[in-house]
Formats: sequence, structure tokens, C-alpha cells
Amino acid sequence: GESVGLHLPTLSVQEGDNSIINCAYSNSASDYFIWYKQESGKGPQFIIDIRSNMDKRQGQRVTVLLNKTVKHLSLQIAATQPGDSAVYFCAENMGSTLTFGKGTMLLVSP
Amino acid sequence: DGGITQSPKYLFRKEGQNVTLSCEQNLNHDAMYWYRQDPGQGLRLIYYSQIVNDFQKGDIAEGYSVSREKKESFPLTVTSAQKNPTAFYLCASSLGQGFAGAGVNTEAFFGQGTRLTVV
Repeated sequence: GESVGLHLPTLSVQEGDNSIINCAYSNSASDYFIWYKQESGKGPQFIIDIRSNMDKRQGQRVTVLLNKTVKHLSLQIAATQPGDSAVYFCAENMGSTLTFGKGTMLLVSP
Repeated sequence: DGGITQSPKYLFRKEGQNVTLSCEQNLNHDAMYWYRQDPGQGLRLIYYSQIVNDFQKGDIAEGYSVSREKKESFPLTVTSAQKNPTAFYLCASSLGQGFAGAGVNTEAFFGQGTRLTVV
């Protein structure tokens, strides 16, 4: 079946570097995507979203890029900080529900 | 403050018992959802409700039951039929008609989760 998945299970970066977390999706009918951040033992927190009629959306220190041609989504975090260490999930709107990928662990070392 | 609240934070269940996890929101959201998360895994949908007195099965509904008698509340019961209930349970809500109500996409807001352990 179609699903959302992530390329990299763990990403280790140095403080101050830029981070890029990738996500592949396979449902070409999906029209809405969200990135969530989940810290250990807590619920996911919304980071940024994007609709399928957009290629790029920027927030504070974060940018989401959507490439519909290759069904790829990425989250870019500028000047990564230790507080950014968490698991990041992309989620795909399929009808009335969200389908989540397995997540990428981002580890930021000082 | 507005938000979505899950309780308890930790719950222990004996073999053969039913337990109920609470989820309450004061965001005036129409839609509510229950997800299950296993270690190192993504979130899997158990049940969802788009409106009061109505709910649908998600991908892994077997062994679970829900009710939606009030807009604010969406309790999840883990029954004895659920063979492997130990997991982290997350409740979420969104503005309306799922995530794409009236042409407007809105994100889901999550509670802080309930960690259920079978003892």
C-alpha cells in the first residue's frame, strides 16, 4: 500500500550547522503535508505545513520544500541548536486522516 | 489555556483488564484522533471521529473501542482483546472535517500522551 517514509533514521549534526531531514511519500493525491517534532516522552508538536500547490514555505529557522515530481518532502533547519534534538516526523493528509512516517532522530552536538 | 489533555500520563494494566484512556480538548475542534506509537516507530491510527456521535476505525482498531458523546471528549478503551497493548498512546484534535475541512488545511494538535504498560 502507499505510505509515507523517511530516508534517514538518524541525523547527527554540530551546533550551528544546517540540518536537512528528508521524507518520501507515495500517494500522489495527497494535498497537505506537515512536519512534527517529538521530544522524548512527549506528544508531537507542529513545526510547519505545506499544501500541494506550493513548492516552498518558510517559518522561523525552518523551511519545508515539496517536490511533487519525485514525491519528496524535506525539512531544513537553519543554525541547528541543541534544543532541536528530537525525532522529526513528516505526515501526509490522506482523506480525513494523517499518515505518519517512522521518523528521523536529529542529534545536535555542541 | 486552550489545549488537549490526556490522562493519566502513566497507566498500568493487568492481563485481562480493560482500561480507559482519557482525552479532553477545549479547542472547539470537531475532529479527534487516537494514535499508537511503539518504540522507534511512527504513529499508527487507531480510531478517529469527525463529529459527535460518529467515529471510524483506523488502521489498527482491533482490541480498542471509543465513544464520542461530547465534542470535547474522546476516550479510548483498551480491551482485553488487544494482545499487545504496551505502547505510548497519543490523542489529537483538528479544527474540522479531518485535516482539510472546507478547503482549509489545519494541523492536528496532540496531547502529551499516555504510556500504557501491561504488568
